[in-house]
Amino acid sequence: QSALTQPRSVSGSPGQSVTISCTGTSSDVGGYNYVSWYQQHPGKGPKLMIFDVSKRPSGVPDRFSGSKSGNTASLTISGLQAEDEADYYCCSYAGSNTHYVFGTGTEVTVL
Amino acid sequence: QVQLVQSGVEVTKPGASVKVSCKASGYTLTSYHMHWVRQAPGQGLEWMGLISPSGIIIINAQKFQGRVTVTRDTSAGTVYMELSSLRPEDTAMYYCTREAIVLKNFDFWGQGTLVTVSS
Repeated sequence: QSALTQPRSVSGSPGQSVTISCTGTSSDVGGYNYVSWYQQHPGKGPKLMIFDVSKRPSGVPDRFSGSKSGNTASLTISGLQAEDEADYYCCSYAGSNTHYVFGTGTEVTVL
Repeated sequence: QVQLVQSGVEVTKPGASVKVSCKASGYTLTSYHMHWVRQAPGQGLEWMGLISPSGIIIINAQKFQGRVTVTRDTSAGTVYMELSSLRPEDTAMYYCTREAIVLKNFDFWGQGTLVTVSS
C-alpha cells in the first residue's frame, strides 16, 4: 500500500488561501468518506484538523475546510495566518486489510 | 482531560527489541481503539497497528511482517508496542494515538518516543 500523494510544499501570504491535495486510489480516498487531516508543527505531535472529509473538531478555526472529489481529497486554509505554518498530512481509511494510509506530507509556508 | 503519556527515549542496537509504553488518562482505556504511528526523521507518518476496545490486535503486516506486538494492561491504563529485530531504518519517533469515538480518525496523540537504532 503506497502513501497518499501530496505536494511537497505550498505557500501563501497572510490572508490568502492555500489548498493542499491528497491523491489516493479507489481503495482508500475514493472508497471511503474517512479522510482526515493533521497539522504538525516542528518538534510536536500531530493535531487533528479535519475528519470525515469535511468535519472540523471543536476548537479548529473555520478557515480550515476539507473536501473530496473522486480519489483526491483537499484541505483549504482560508485567511492564512502565521501560526498556520506547519506540515500537514492527510490520512485515509483503506479497508480491513490495509486499514490506514497517510499522505506524504505538505509543508505550508506563510510568506 | 485526555492525556497520553509515553515512555522516554530509547537507544538500542540492531537486532534488539524495544518496548514503548503509552499511559492513558482522562478516559476509559477499554472504550477506544489505540493505534501506533511512527515517523522517521524528516519523513511522513506511517500507521503501524492498533488494539481494539475488546483487545483485538491488528498490525500493518505488509510493512512489519510480524515484528510488531501490541499489548495492554488495563489495570495500569497502559498500552505497549514492542518492535523486534530492529534495523537502523527503524529509527523514528513513535506515537500512540487514540481513535476518536466517531471512528476512523485520531483525536489525541502522545508526545512521541524517539527510538534510535545504531551499532
